[in-house]
Amino acid sequence: GAVVSQHPSRVICKSGTSVKIECRSLDFQATTMFWYRQFPKQSLMLMATSNEGSKATYEQGVEKDKFLINHASLTLSTLTVTSAHPEDSSFYICSASRPGEDTQYFGPGTRLTVL
Amino acid sequence: ILNVEQSPQSLHVQEGDSTNFTCSFPSSNFYALHWYRWETAKSPEALFVMTLNGDEKKKGRISATLNTKEGYSYLYIKGSQPEDSATYLCAPLTGTASKLTFGTGTRLQVTL
Repeated sequence: GAVVSQHPSRVICKSGTSVKIECRSLDFQATTMFWYRQFPKQSLMLMATSNEGSKATYEQGVEKDKFLINHASLTLSTLTVTSAHPEDSSFYICSASRPGEDTQYFGPGTRLTVL
Repeated sequence: ILNVEQSPQSLHVQEGDSTNFTCSFPSSNFYALHWYRWETAKSPEALFVMTLNGDEKKKGRISATLNTKEGYSYLYIKGSQPEDSATYLCAPLTGTASKLTFGTGTRLQVTL
């Protein structure tokens, strides 16, 4: 149990367009989901924490209007990168946790390339 | 932002070798330490969650120890196999912020 899927795995888009990434918990209900970004040779950096039915909590330095997070159900969270620019090119990965647990179950990640 | 350091950054061993690597973190406000294994093109997989000073956890040939007073954890792999090749990440969880702070990982490559 505790499988998390993420879609798409890779996306290439033009500068100025928006990209939506989906994160789903397949076999459990996730009250909390997390979105991370990883730049080359760096660690996973938490962007935001989302709880089902409420607004996401963004980390310092992460623009909430640029990285829109929606956690409308207990199994789905989406991250939309709005008006993407080349500097947004990165590896985005989500995770989900079960109620009462600290362990996070990760999706396989999405490689975003903005041309 | 927590300072989490992992060493070495990368490691290359032969099949059958035993190896270990380190995760260092601030000892103040410690709540738990998570270890993950991340194989290429797969999702990071939770290995251990450790909370108590002196804790030792084991999963097959992999084990980990925890020292919360001095702020470090060791991960050991006994008799490395090629399937152990992965990046091993540690992430402390502090009591003040309910979020994991990841180190940059130790990339392990095991060759025949």
